[in-house]
Amino acid sequence: QKEVEQDPGPLSVPEGAIVSLNCTYSNSAFQYFMWYRQYSRKGPELLMYTYSSGNKEDGRFTAQVDKSSKYISLFIRDSQPSDSATYLCAMSDAFASGTYKYIFGTGTRLKVLA
Amino acid sequence: EAGVTQFPSHSVIEKGQTVTLRCDPISGHDNLYWYRRVMGKEIKFLLHFVKESKQDESGMPNNRFLAERTGGTYSTLKVQPAELEDSGVYFCASSRGSVAEYFGPGTRLTVT
Repeated sequence: QKEVEQDPGPLSVPEGAIVSLNCTYSNSAFQYFMWYRQYSRKGPELLMYTYSSGNKEDGRFTAQVDKSSKYISLFIRDSQPSDSATYLCAMSDAFASGTYKYIFGTGTRLKVLA
Repeated sequence: EAGVTQFPSHSVIEKGQTVTLRCDPISGHDNLYWYRRVMGKEIKFLLHFVKESKQDESGMPNNRFLAERTGGTYSTLKVQPAELEDSGVYFCASSRGSVAEYFGPGTRLTVT
């Protein structure tokens, strides 16, 4: 079983829809949770990161962490065609392991249709 | 501010040859990470430098891989000798803090 599971998609939504992207994980020691966006043939771009539980909002993006369920989510409001990309979650048990080794999900391909 | 740069963007080599990948982090970033994505799989951690020191190299696949970071600036990742399973995209990332904030565009390595 992988430490981080992420549905590969593709997920197709109409422009303006609310998008929900999710990851589940098995390691309860994970403390740092990141979301990256990756366009084709580019490197990942950090969107948001959260420490421990709770919500974090940045513009149209909201990240949620539910440590009791070992489940994290990224919500995109008013989605735009320019949001079409692969979204990667990543997490780390920095305090437990003493290092900043991030475990990535496989990524979810999102297509926002105009 | 210039981003993380990687060279070459694409390399095609034969099995048994040697390849050296280079990463130039954002100036002033002490933390430098190498990651790799093999086709169809997730991005996997290779190692983490803090300045010139290897903080964590637990993800390095085997002793055919050698990473260096001279003077705490740019880093190189050498694969010698290359095997077919080494094919993939190698990413470098840098940051001031602990979160791998800025990724480079990657080097696509193809071993034939």
